[in-house]
Amino acid sequence: RKEVEQDPGPFNVPEGATVAFNCTYSNSASQSFFWYRQDCRKEPKLLMSVYSSGNEDGRFTAQLNRASQYISLLIRDSKLSDSATYLCAVLLRSNDYKLSFGAGTTVTVRA
Amino acid sequence: EPEVTQTPSHQVTQMGQEVILRCVPISNHLYFYWYRQILGQKVEFLVSFYNNEISEKSEIFDDQFSVERPDGSNFTLKIRSTKLEDSAMYFCASSEGGAAPYFSYNEQFFGPGTRLTVL
Repeated sequence: RKEVEQDPGPFNVPEGATVAFNCTYSNSASQSFFWYRQDCRKEPKLLMSVYSSGNEDGRFTAQLNRASQYISLLIRDSKLSDSATYLCAVLLRSNDYKLSFGAGTTVTVRA
Repeated sequence: EPEVTQTPSHQVTQMGQEVILRCVPISNHLYFYWYRQILGQKVEFLVSFYNNEISEKSEIFDDQFSVERPDGSNFTLKIRSTKLEDSAMYFCASSEGGAAPYFSYNEQFFGPGTRLTVL
């Protein structure tokens, strides 16, 4: 089983729609979780750290389900500029150094 | 807003040549990392560096790779004898570590990357 797995998509949604997708992780001891956004051929940009059961930042909501070992990202009121690949990343321990990335979920927001 | 910078943005080299990729991490950060992303694949961890030594490395980071912090600002990745399969985007990242607030201290911020093409 892969360490971090994501639905690759693509998710094609109209502007203003809500889109949500999940990321599963294999190691139940994982401590820290992040969502990054990556535009084509650019660097991953930190979108959100996922705290305890979940947190919200504007139109973005991240949730963590430790029992089922997944995190989710929900984007409300999608904008054209939200079109990107969203990467899930996991740290095994709080003092771990190695971010394990998923392969990414592609979201395309259409006008 | 402070950011990680990397040079060059694109490096083309012949197989067997040595390359050095350079990074300037965010100034108050204590932990430094190199990741790579082969075209169309996921981002992969190579190595982490703290207190002037390697903290962790992946199986990708073999004897052909080395890292160094030659001065107070730069962090370099050297590939001694490049292979075709080393062609990838190489990202440097840094994180605060230390006594930062709990949730932010392990957030890693990435530089814009160096695209390495080995011919």
